[in-house]
Amino acid sequence: DIQMAQSPSSLTASVGDRVIITCRASQAIGNFLNWYQQKPGEAPRLLIYAASSLQSGVPSRFSGSGSGTEFNLTISSLQPEDFATFYCQQCRGFPYTFGQGTKLEFK
Amino acid sequence: EVQLEESGGGLVQPGGSLRLSCAASGFTFGSYSMNWVRQAPGKGLEWVSYIGSVSEAMYYADSAKGRFTVFRDNGKSSMYLQMNSLRDEDTAVYYCVRDGAIWVGGAPLRYFQHWGRGTPVTVSS
Repeated sequence: DIQMAQSPSSLTASVGDRVIITCRASQAIGNFLNWYQQKPGEAPRLLIYAASSLQSGVPSRFSGSGSGTEFNLTISSLQPEDFATFYCQQCRGFPYTFGQGTKLEFK
Repeated sequence: EVQLEESGGGLVQPGGSLRLSCAASGFTFGSYSMNWVRQAPGKGLEWVSYIGSVSEAMYYADSAKGRFTVFRDNGKSSMYLQMNSLRDEDTAVYYCVRDGAIWVGGAPLRYFQHWGRGTPVTVSS
């Protein structure tokens, strides 16, 4: 199975900050990597697919990069509604696997 | 508008069974592959199972193999998860998820594009 590891596990930041979350795969997965955001009590929401493609309706302050084994999710200027937990997920092969999550909290 | 509505969750004793349902609307159900993803209380996301658009393929997490069965009825725009031999560790919110996909080098790159609100399952005596 492909293991996914996110860093950091938690992060405190302020409105307007630039934030980068990293996801590493245990083997090369090309660009078969997706990112999701989940707010408390809600279902997850797709942000980025294929490592760098922005899902329709997602603000452009979110961006994804990387290929192979290392990927980043960048939020260019944090907004109050961005505080949530973020997950990466590999879709290179079954079983699909998620990172453990990165909780982004207000400083 | 894509809508996915799960039902069938509840309290069940260890060793018991439960069948979850997902009713879909707002898109051509038979054209999309589907998944179940779960989340234990206070924990992260775990993919559980996948079913192809016409049931041509099904895949399961190791934790579900041999105990869970995913199936669908395209005529009813519905997907199901039959869960047997339930364990305490199966306690979670179960989400019905519709795939999106693009083709990369001849292979489908799938992503979890639309999510239901989830149905809670509690396994406890």
